[in-house]
Amino acid sequence: QKEVEQNSGPLSVPEGAIASLNCTYSDRVSQSFFWYRQYSGKSPELIMSIYSNGDKEDGRFTAQLNKASQYVSLLIRDSQPSDSATYLCAVLLYGNNRLAFGKGNQVVVIP
Amino acid sequence: DVKVTQSSRYLVKRTGEKVFLECVQDMDHENMFWYRQDPGLGLRLIYFSYDVKMKEKGDIPEGYSVSREKKERFSLILESASTNQTSMYLCASRLDREDTEAFFGQGTRLTVV
Repeated sequence: QKEVEQNSGPLSVPEGAIASLNCTYSDRVSQSFFWYRQYSGKSPELIMSIYSNGDKEDGRFTAQLNKASQYVSLLIRDSQPSDSATYLCAVLLYGNNRLAFGKGNQVVVIP
Repeated sequence: DVKVTQSSRYLVKRTGEKVFLECVQDMDHENMFWYRQDPGLGLRLIYFSYDVKMKEKGDIPEGYSVSREKKERFSLILESASTNQTSMYLCASRLDREDTEAFFGQGTRLTVV
């Protein structure tokens, strides 16, 4: 099993809808989880971090963590064309400072 | 603001050349990383360093080496560049604490011809 997995394939959502992204991880004892956004030709930038079970909201973004099921999700409410990007899930692997990334999910918001 | 600076935005090198990619951060971060990013493959970890002169292999270290002589600088070395090393290279740094994120440089697009 890969350390961090994101379901592949672009996600197309109409403007104003909710985009939902999922990520699973294999290291059961990992404690730190991140969502990065990457625009085409640019570097990844952090949009959310989450460290405890439950939901964390920041503006239109909500991160959800379920350590028992080993998944992290990201919801983008009221999607805007400016949200069109690739979203990367990252997990800090416990005990060795290694930051592992999923392959990313491309989101396309259709006006 | 945290600043992670990579020495070149675009680089073109010939097969067999020794290539140096430099990364400097200004926030006294202990951890530094080198990734390469290719379409469909995501971000793959080449090497990381958790302190000066300390390094660990990532998922794809073959053909690469690294150097960290000073805390702020982490260099990636391609010993003998090959065409399959054509890629986007991204450097990142972070504090050695569980509740902190990584910050990325602007990336270096390396083409080996």
